[in-house]
Amino acid sequence: DQQVKQNSPSLSVQEGRISILNCDYTNSMFDYFLWYKKYPAEGPTFLISISSIKDKNEDGRFTVFLNKSAKHLSLHIVPSQPGDSAVYFCAASYFGNEKLTFGTGTRLTIIP
Amino acid sequence: DTEVTQTPKHLVMGMTNKKSLKCEQHMGHRAMYWYKQKAKKPPELMFVYSYEKLSINESVPSRFSPECPNSSLLNLHLHALQPEDSALYLCASSQIDRNNEKLFFGSGTQLSVL
Repeated sequence: DQQVKQNSPSLSVQEGRISILNCDYTNSMFDYFLWYKKYPAEGPTFLISISSIKDKNEDGRFTVFLNKSAKHLSLHIVPSQPGDSAVYFCAASYFGNEKLTFGTGTRLTIIP
Repeated sequence: DTEVTQTPKHLVMGMTNKKSLKCEQHMGHRAMYWYKQKAKKPPELMFVYSYEKLSINESVPSRFSPECPNSSLLNLHLHALQPEDSALYLCASSQIDRNNEKLFFGSGTQLSVL
């Protein structure tokens, strides 16, 4: 049972444009969401997070939006840069749960 | 120091070998994790240690044996592995507080079982 889903396995975006990565979840207990970026043969790197008490969180070029009623979150990267090419995982957890549930990942390719 | 250091980076072993993966962090984190990741799949939780005690074992086969000697170190002992155990093994650590979900990952050990 995949509780966190990223329905787009891959996405290509022109350099300088906006990249939008989407994530859906089914477990209504989730109240904390994170995005990780991963290069091949390396560990995931934390990018940005959002608590369920917010609907938006920004950090530089990265913004995460949370729509609790739709059980949907998205990561916006603007402007996209070639170094953003990587696999992006969304992840979710809830208070008292030590286990982080990862989505299936989206491979983002930025086209120069 | 915000690093999680894993050794070795690469490991090739036979099915009868015994080997160990090592992980170290000096961020004062009291939760440490082992994840396994196969190509084109999300990281899959194996074990969680909280305050050096095993708190989660995700039904991992006994050929994987974790050990947490102290708050900075985490080992994964491997014995009689199968070729399907070949994967990237990731160690992570985090604080134990409301935002403990923010994991810091190491670069991983790429394991090949022949």
